[in-house]
Amino acid sequence: QKEVEQNSGPLSVPEGAIASLNCTYSDRGSQSFFWYRQYSGKSPELIMSIYSNGDKEDGRFTAQLNKASQYVSLLIRDSQPSDSATYLCAVNAFGNEKLTFGTGTRLTIIP
Amino acid sequence: ETGVTQSPTHLIKTRGQQVTLRCSSQSGHNTVSWYQQALGQGPQFIFQYYREEENGRGNFPPRFSGLQFPNYSSELNVNALELDDSALYLCASSTPTSGNLEQYFGPGTRLTVT
Repeated sequence: QKEVEQNSGPLSVPEGAIASLNCTYSDRGSQSFFWYRQYSGKSPELIMSIYSNGDKEDGRFTAQLNKASQYVSLLIRDSQPSDSATYLCAVNAFGNEKLTFGTGTRLTIIP
Repeated sequence: ETGVTQSPTHLIKTRGQQVTLRCSSQSGHNTVSWYQQALGQGPQFIFQYYREEENGRGNFPPRFSGLQFPNYSSELNVNALELDDSALYLCASSTPTSGNLEQYFGPGTRLTVT
């Protein structure tokens, strides 16, 4: 079982719709969760961090965390063509210095 | 822009050679982590440096080594390059001692080994 799992996609969403990206993790000691956006040929860009169960909203982005189910998700409202990218889920365990990444979900927003 | 810089942007090396990659952390950040990202994969943790000491290492062989300098900048050295070392090398800076675990990536160095 991979430590952090994401559906590789591609996920296609019409412009203006809600894109939903999912991630599961295996280490129950995980404490910190991050979503990065990576455009083709570029480096990952941090877009959301979440540490507690529940929802965290930032503009069009909402991160959702459920530690009991070991599940974290990212919702993108009013999707725009500029949201087309690979979205990486990353997890950090308490006292552990490293981020463990999933393989990423490729999202395409269709105009 | 994160304020994290890396050099060089691209590099082509021959199998068996050695390479040094450089990273300058964001202002105020005291910790640098290095990751390797192969095509189509997520970044894989190589190691982290804090206060000029290695502070954790991933599953990479000893031919991957690093340094951190008093100004918090860092180098990644790879000896005896192999074809599988071809990847995007990313450094990320952070200040975990402040309680903020967010890591911010530089633009990366694309290494091609032929």
